[in-house]
Amino acid sequence: AQSVSQHNHHVILSEAASLELGCNYSYGGTVNLFWYVQYPGQHLQLLLKYFSGDPLVKGIKGFEAEFIKSKFSFNLRKPSVQWSDTAEYFCAVNGAPNAGKSTFGDGTTLTVKP
Amino acid sequence: EAQVTQNPRYLITVTGKKLTVTCSQNMNHEYMSWYRQDPGLGLRQIYYSMNVEVTDKGDVPEGYKVSRKEKRNFPLILESPSPNQTSLYFCASSLATRYEQYFGPGTRLTVT
Repeated sequence: AQSVSQHNHHVILSEAASLELGCNYSYGGTVNLFWYVQYPGQHLQLLLKYFSGDPLVKGIKGFEAEFIKSKFSFNLRKPSVQWSDTAEYFCAVNGAPNAGKSTFGDGTTLTVKP
Repeated sequence: EAQVTQNPRYLITVTGKKLTVTCSQNMNHEYMSWYRQDPGLGLRQIYYSMNVEVTDKGDVPEGYKVSRKEKRNFPLILESPSPNQTSLYFCASSLATRYEQYFGPGTRLTVT
């Protein structure tokens, strides 16, 4: 069975602080990994994704994530957060052999204080 | 504009009254899914479809039905809604070759 675990449920940071959100997954096949973001009152949108190749992936708005296969992890990072990064962040997994089935983590609410 | 649309956006109904939430995408995506979002539980997949007439259960399918008769549409049916189905529902779609999902705006359902 596939699963995703996000370590932090609520993170509070001041502007310009660095961010790292943890994500660990369990998956029994070729894995695709995602981070999605949900700004207040909006629907989810893709932040970044990993399919294969370079394990360090860059996404929108200065976010990046590193896939560490040996640790089954896909942590999200940003060197300097802004107030506008306040949102809920979801890690998700799908992949072969059944790419239609997706599993999301419980989400991490990030609050950035100005 | 490429998008996933859902209707209605808000719905208040009573226990046992059948309802349908529609979902439509204009991107010619093969895959479509329904999720429910509840506080502290993230998104849980209800059903997904990998193409027309091909559907399968997600993690929380009980109490829901779906159909995929056309590629662009994937309605979610609650035959006999109950209060524990009060939730925020999202439809999503993706290409079969690129698995990132595009989400609709959500439908907030309240069952009293």
